[in-house]
Amino acid sequence: RKEVEQDPGPFNVPEGATVAFNCTYSNSASQSFFWYRQDCRKEPKLLMSVYSSGNEDGRFTAQLNRASQYISLLIRDSKLSDSATYLCVVNRAGGYQKVTFGTGTKLQVIP
Amino acid sequence: NAGVTQTPKFRILKIGQSMTLQCAQDMNHNYMYWYRQDPGMGLKLIYYSVGAGITDKGEVPNGYNVSRSTTEDFPLRLELAAPSQTSVYFCASSGQGVGDTEAFFGQGTRLTVV
Repeated sequence: RKEVEQDPGPFNVPEGATVAFNCTYSNSASQSFFWYRQDCRKEPKLLMSVYSSGNEDGRFTAQLNRASQYISLLIRDSKLSDSATYLCVVNRAGGYQKVTFGTGTKLQVIP
Repeated sequence: NAGVTQTPKFRILKIGQSMTLQCAQDMNHNYMYWYRQDPGMGLKLIYYSVGAGITDKGEVPNGYNVSRSTTEDFPLRLELAAPSQTSVYFCASSGQGVGDTEAFFGQGTRLTVV
């Protein structure tokens, strides 16, 4: 089983729709979690951290489910500009080399 | 504010050639990293550095070398290029460990080995 797994998609959704992605991780000792956004042929950029109690930033909501070992990202009222690949990042603890990037979920928002 | 600057953006190498990918950051970050991203794959850590003069291997270090003589610069050296090193290379930096805080990435170097 991969350390971090994401559905590669693509998720094709109409503008204004709500879409959610999950990212599962295999190591129960994982300590910190992030969502990064990567536009086509560009570098990844931090979208948001994921806190144990869940957190929201505008139209974006991140959740952590430790019991089932997954994190989620919910995007409400999707915009064309949300089209990108979303990478989850999991820190297994024990140093910088223990950080694992998921392969990403591709989102395409359609007019 | 330049952030993380990588050069070159594109490069084609012949098998057996060598080259250095340059990376510089102006945020006074102690932590710097080199990742490679193959198509459809996540980022894989090649080498990292926690400060000037200190480097260590990541997940996929074979075929690469690094140095960190200053806080700002973290060049990646490819010796004897092989087709398996065809990839997109990203340099990143962070103020703390990348698992603890935001990592800032350079724009990437697209390398093809033929």
